[in-house]
Formats: sequence, structure tokens, C-alpha cells
Amino acid sequence: QVQLVESGGALVRPGGSLRLSCAASGFTFSDYYMSWIRQAPRKGLEWISYISDSGSSTNYADSVKGRFTISRDNAKNSLYLQMNSLGAEDTAVYYCARTARLSDNWGQGTLVTVSS
Amino acid sequence: DVVMSQSPLSLPVTLGQPASISCRSSQSLVYSDGDTYLHWFQQRPGQSPRRLIYKVSKRDSGVPDRFSGSGSGTDFTLKISRVEAEDVGVYYCMQGTHWPFTFGPGTKVDIK
Repeated sequence: QVQLVESGGALVRPGGSLRLSCAASGFTFSDYYMSWIRQAPRKGLEWISYISDSGSSTNYADSVKGRFTISRDNAKNSLYLQMNSLGAEDTAVYYCARTARLSDNWGQGTLVTVSS
Repeated sequence: DVVMSQSPLSLPVTLGQPASISCRSSQSLVYSDGDTYLHWFQQRPGQSPRRLIYKVSKRDSGVPDRFSGSGSGTDFTLKISRVEAEDVGVYYCMQGTHWPFTFGPGTKVDIK
């Protein structure tokens, strides 16, 4: 069955950086677009980025453009999110999801807390 | 950005009774391929979101048939024919037609 496991969440100071990972299994990873979505504490859901199956195409929400970079390693069945210049507004649970428009499977999420 | 609205935001329901959630988008959600990328997600307490319905009315594998979706263009509805205790949680509609993809604010369903 499809499994997505996020990792890398941590407490980080404002202005700091963090790299999240998502390990995929149970499907042919290289056949699917992948996405990152976040949920701030007691708040709604925000789509922040997606990447094409080959990795050649990416898209970002304005709130993270220029600070976050999505990437993937199809040989390792892994998705990544490099987050720079973090601020308090980036505090959230970060989910990876399979596909973009259809978003059919999500991981359990990893918590990123930005605080001094 | 496409704004998604939902009503009601809170929905107390009686076990065994029906429930209905409305979702509206600020633009048509018909994509250039002719499909409408409007989906419904359920988030149970302490869990990640799970997709229930995709492309307006297609039920995901394993989703009970008491859940159904309908609508077109900018107006959509999720219906639960008979609410069960396990249906407690927050329900979100989401559009995957226009980037950035956006979610509704969520409707909290609980038992009276």
C-alpha cells in the first residue's frame, strides 16, 4: 500500500533553515507528481509546493517563493523541502502528498516550530 | 487565488441522521481537460487529512457509500446519509484546478 513518511521537523530559530524529507513506498515514485502542504496549529491547510514526476517542473505558493525549494531523488524514492529564512509564520505540520491536482495520499506529517 | 468557502463551519449532528456541507469557489473549477478538480477531505482528530471524494463525486476506495459528493462549476456539496460516530472530524473541500491549489476553511462535524 502507499506509504509516505515525513521526517526532519524540529524547533528552529527565526532566520534559520531546515530540510524536510518524505520517504515513499508502495508505488512507482517516479511516475507521480509530489506535493508539500502545511497546516499551522489549529488552522487550515495551505498548499505550498509541488514538483513534477521528473523533477523538471516546480511551483510554489507566494508565501514561500524564494525561501523554500522542493526537490526529489527518484532513485531513493524521496521528496525533499529545503526551507530557508524561516519565520514564526512557517510554524506548522508539514505533509507530503502524492500527486498535485488529485492529492490522493498524504503522510502523517512532521512538525516544524520556529521560535527563539 | 481561488477562494473556497464552506458552510456551515460547525455542524452538530445526531447519530443516524443525515448531514450536508456546502462548498463554493470564487471561480469555476472546470479545468482545460474538462474535469473539475474539486475534492473532499476528512481530518479526524489527531490524524492527517484523508481524501474521501475526488473530482466532485468519485468516492475513494474504502470510503463508505454513505458519503457522496455533487455539484458543478462553483457550487458543491458533501452529504453523509447517516452520520456515524467515526465521522467526527473536520471536512475540507479543496480545488486542484487553479494554482495555487486552495482549501476551504473546514467544517467541524461533531455529535450532538
